[in-house]
Amino acid sequence: NAGVTQTPKFQVLKTGQSMTLQCAQDMNHNSMYWYRQDPGMGLRLIYYSASEGTTDKGEVPNGYNVSRLNKREFSLRLESAAPSQTSVYFCASNRLDQSPLHFGNGTRLTVT
Amino acid sequence: GQQLNQSPQSMFIQEGEDVSMNCTSSSIFNTWLWYKQDPGEGPVLLIALYKAGELTSNGRLTAQFGITRKDSFLNISASIPSDVGIYFCAGQLWSAGGTSYGKLTFGQGTILTVHP
Repeated sequence: NAGVTQTPKFQVLKTGQSMTLQCAQDMNHNSMYWYRQDPGMGLRLIYYSASEGTTDKGEVPNGYNVSRLNKREFSLRLESAAPSQTSVYFCASNRLDQSPLHFGNGTRLTVT
Repeated sequence: GQQLNQSPQSMFIQEGEDVSMNCTSSSIFNTWLWYKQDPGEGPVLLIALYKAGELTSNGRLTAQFGITRKDSFLNISASIPSDVGIYFCAGQLWSAGGTSYGKLTFGQGTILTVHP
């Protein structure tokens, strides 16, 4: 009954460091997404993958890259972290377009 | 881009009271969703609304998709301590034959505190 699993749960980086956030879902969903959550701004879409083998930019893609490794896994990479990327990152998935999203529990990233 | 205004930003209520929150948009949506987020966790779907005018209940929760397709409200009746959390509305728009792929527009959230 895992649903959407994100790792790590917490991470502290120094400016300029790189890291990859991992996400996996066990619901056989076709589409996966990365959002960031900042105080007072709700959630904003960074990148999404409509289906295995495809990725597209969302609302705030700058400074990020993604990889849809297989149907289950969708990773988010920060090549050179900046303090503006301090945020809580959520991965989500859904079975079909227009069906409700299921979210993971988030990765809390601090960039100093 | 589309803007969602969610209100109130926060609420402090006594256990047993009813709660009402709403979202308004500058443009229409095909779907309205209400999520709840507990501390340290991701948003969890409470109610999904797919049709203008639709009124849907889930236990003590009731939500409506506004007839103009530009607004939605969520009511919680007889609040209990475990209702504490952040409530988000989200709107989704797609056109016939098109896709929206997770392009949800989220409200800023309503922080609910319930005093026993």
